[in-house]
Amino acid sequence: DAKTTQPNSMESNEEEPVHLPCNHSTISGTDYIHWYRQLPSQGPEYVIHGLTSNVNNRMASLAIAEDRKSSTLILHRATLRDAAVYYCILRTNTGGFKTIFGAGTRLFVKA
Amino acid sequence: EPEVTQTPSHQVTQMGQEVILRCVPISNHLYFYWYRQILGQKVEFLVSFYNNEISEKSEIFDDQFSVERPDGSNFTLKIRSTKLEDSAMYFCASRATGGSGANVLTFGAGSRLTVL
Repeated sequence: DAKTTQPNSMESNEEEPVHLPCNHSTISGTDYIHWYRQLPSQGPEYVIHGLTSNVNNRMASLAIAEDRKSSTLILHRATLRDAAVYYCILRTNTGGFKTIFGAGTRLFVKA
Repeated sequence: EPEVTQTPSHQVTQMGQEVILRCVPISNHLYFYWYRQILGQKVEFLVSFYNNEISEKSEIFDDQFSVERPDGSNFTLKIRSTKLEDSAMYFCASRATGGSGANVLTFGAGSRLTVL
């Protein structure tokens, strides 16, 4: 599986935008970029995914570099509830869709 | 919003005992998964299941583990003879086979297993 690299942790102030980076220089043409998050004491939760174009949904935006070697998850206004571990995952949309989690980025949100 | 339900939320067992963790996936989902997370560590893939058979498994999923869909709604993970190192949070997930939901894994809240 192609690897992703994320910072171990990041800090943000409440009500401010947060940009969570992810590097995936060995991404293949069939890999989708998925983001999940895990709030404290909960199971992982889907956030967003994309292939080549930038994507928006009610939770976040995903900005994908033109060469697809990196991407950024954007939370437009961080709230205390957004404090979680954010996982950037590459996955092909074939077969069993096995999703492999890395260490992720722990986001701290300050009031 | 539909959700994946797991029981029990916490189980304490003695080493060597059998444990069954239960999951009720979202009703129209056909792909099912088990993951585990040892305290303070990352979420690890155990097994995926589709059409009544295992489609993929990790090296963690050895002969001590088995999965079953005993009826139309439940999906179970059995650990035959628990070891101390099986203590972890176990997450069940499910996925639709078509439409926009086909790309999304929905996870349950987890079952915490403590082996003494």
